[in-house]
Amino acid sequence: NAGVTQTPKFRILKIGQSMTLQCAQDMNHNYMYWYRQDPGMGLKLIYYSVGAGITDKGEVPNGYNVSRSTTEDFPLRLELAAPSQTSVYFCASKAGGSPDTQYFGPGTRLTVL
Amino acid sequence: AQTVTQSQPEMSVQEAETVTLSCTYDTSESDYYLFWYKQPPSRQMILVIRQEAYKQQNATENRFSVNFQKAAKSFSLKISDSQLGDAAMYFCAYRSEYNFNKFYFGSGTKLNVKP
Repeated sequence: NAGVTQTPKFRILKIGQSMTLQCAQDMNHNYMYWYRQDPGMGLKLIYYSVGAGITDKGEVPNGYNVSRSTTEDFPLRLELAAPSQTSVYFCASKAGGSPDTQYFGPGTRLTVL
Repeated sequence: AQTVTQSQPEMSVQEAETVTLSCTYDTSESDYYLFWYKQPPSRQMILVIRQEAYKQQNATENRFSVNFQKAAKSFSLKISDSQLGDAAMYFCAYRSEYNFNKFYFGSGTKLNVKP
């Protein structure tokens, strides 16, 4: 049982490049989330999903896209990377019966130069 | 929109002593939940304690307790008998009763524990 896994751990992008941050969970959780954490700041919700095929915007969705084709996977796509997207990205999941116990992945540190 | 404010960027406590971390929030909702999360250097987020706004009784979890003042919109975390393993970033968070998918986090307080 690996919990929530994220790849890659680190990435440097050039302005205008695109990439996909991968997130997978093996706990059969319906709910999955993407957050970003800027230096000295709390987490901000980018997108979330309540089940396969269903996604919704969070607090800071601009510049990102998500998809949820399976229960296990919830990739986050960055199109046309900008320096403002330099951050640490966390994926999380939770079971339907535990509204507050989110299981977080280890994070991906992204730098856009 | 809801906002969560943590005014103490960093605090220090001696091992075995007690420390209190502050948090204030702003909301127009009457039903909501408040949380304290711990983020150690591994960057994983760990739920420490949870408080339902409709409950007057303050939540406690072993050495962790909160002082919830609903009228003042204040939610502080007290850590008793501090241990070296308590050193981490601590985040205060808010969640609405009506959308349990949207969490709002404060900027965090870094807690140092001195041996």
